[in-house]
Amino acid sequence: DVKVTQSSRYLVKRTGEKVFLECVQDMDHENMFWYRQDPGLGLRLIYFSYDVKMKEKGDIPEGYSVSREKKERFSLILESASTNQTSMYLCASRTGTSGNYNEQFFGPGTRLTVL
Amino acid sequence: AQSVTQLDSQVPVFEEAPVELRCNYSSSVSVYLFWYVQYPNQGLQLLLKYLSGSTLVKGINGFEAEFNKSQTSFHLRKPSVHISDTAEYFCAVSDRRNTPLVFGKGTRLSVIA
Repeated sequence: DVKVTQSSRYLVKRTGEKVFLECVQDMDHENMFWYRQDPGLGLRLIYFSYDVKMKEKGDIPEGYSVSREKKERFSLILESASTNQTSMYLCASRTGTSGNYNEQFFGPGTRLTVL
Repeated sequence: AQSVTQLDSQVPVFEEAPVELRCNYSSSVSVYLFWYVQYPNQGLQLLLKYLSGSTLVKGINGFEAEFNKSQTSFHLRKPSVHISDTAEYFCAVSDRRNTPLVFGKGTRLSVIA
């Protein structure tokens, strides 16, 4: 079974803090993604990565950065957390091998509260 | 860019009744379509997907969906729901093989005993 794990299920931080959300997958997937999920807005793509050291902006990258130093790990960084970044954050991974469109596998999510 | 519209934000239904969750996508020459389910306090799990071929797709837990190109729709159906189907359901689309999925806003299905 593909496993995507996220470092914390729940996180509480203060405004202005630097926050790291970690995601690890164990299936040697090339592609990894960070989404945020808000009620009534669905999932919105923040950043994604096609491979190690690569990153692409998604639809809402402002206020976030990412790091992909190893294939299995994709980190989301909030440089200076703000209250409007209170949300559920979901990580996903997918094989990048050629062929048909491949399924994205999701982690359990990290619910971040910024006070 | 692709977009997805889930027409109902909430759908209440009695146990053992049929249900249809609606999904429309913006037109494209070719599309890849997915339905995911999210149970409370969990991540997303794939229910089914349409990549090509037969327009009727069967998934897990008795769900199925039909791809309708002329109506740009991919509605999800189940003939008889259970309490355990209570969850949020997301429709997602991509029009190119290596791009991220674009998700709809979700439909919350509540099954009432």
